[in-house]
Amino acid sequence: ETVMTQSPATLSVSPGERATLSCRASQSVSSNLAWYQQKPGQAPRVLMSGASTRATDIPARFSGSGSGTEFTLTISSLQSEDFAVYYCQQYNNWPPTFGQGTKVEIK
Amino acid sequence: EVQLLESGGGLILPGGSLRLSCAASGFTVGNNYMSWVRQAPGKGLEWVSIIYSGGPTYYADSVKGRFTISRDNSKNALYLQMNSLRAEDTAVYYCAGGKSSSWYWDYWGQGTLVTVSS
Repeated sequence: ETVMTQSPATLSVSPGERATLSCRASQSVSSNLAWYQQKPGQAPRVLMSGASTRATDIPARFSGSGSGTEFTLTISSLQSEDFAVYYCQQYNNWPPTFGQGTKVEIK
Repeated sequence: EVQLLESGGGLILPGGSLRLSCAASGFTVGNNYMSWVRQAPGKGLEWVSIIYSGGPTYYADSVKGRFTISRDNSKNALYLQMNSLRAEDTAVYYCAGGKSSSWYWDYWGQGTLVTVSS
């Protein structure tokens, strides 16, 4: 199966700063990559699909890039509501697999 | 507004069985790819099973032969029959659906906790 590796495990960022999260696939997933946000006690919420297409109602401060095996999620100016765990997920190769998550915490 | 509402979780002995349900509104279960995704306490997300709009079903190796996904189009509901439960099946189980015929999910329920313990 395709192993997804996210880095860093934890990212400490001050409100208003930029956050850059990385996701690497063990084999090419083309652009078939999604990003999810999960807050404590809540279900995941899709942020991005196709590596760079924002889901409905996702603010423009979230952007995604990459293809093949290297992907990035950027939050341009962190708001208080953005502190959460972020997961990448590939849906190109069977079975669908998730990264282990990056926790974005307040610095 | 799309809503997915899971039910059926609880405490169960190892080797026991449990059936999870997911009631959907604003989203047609039979017309879309529907999945179950689980999250062990303090851990990440793990895809468990999928049922395609056309009917085929698939499972993660960790649950193959023990879990069965199904749906009832007349009730707009999704189910997961879980047999021979193990401690490592302890998790919050999410019902999830995708707008596109793909393996990522636009809509998620709030989850139902399954605890397998003696």
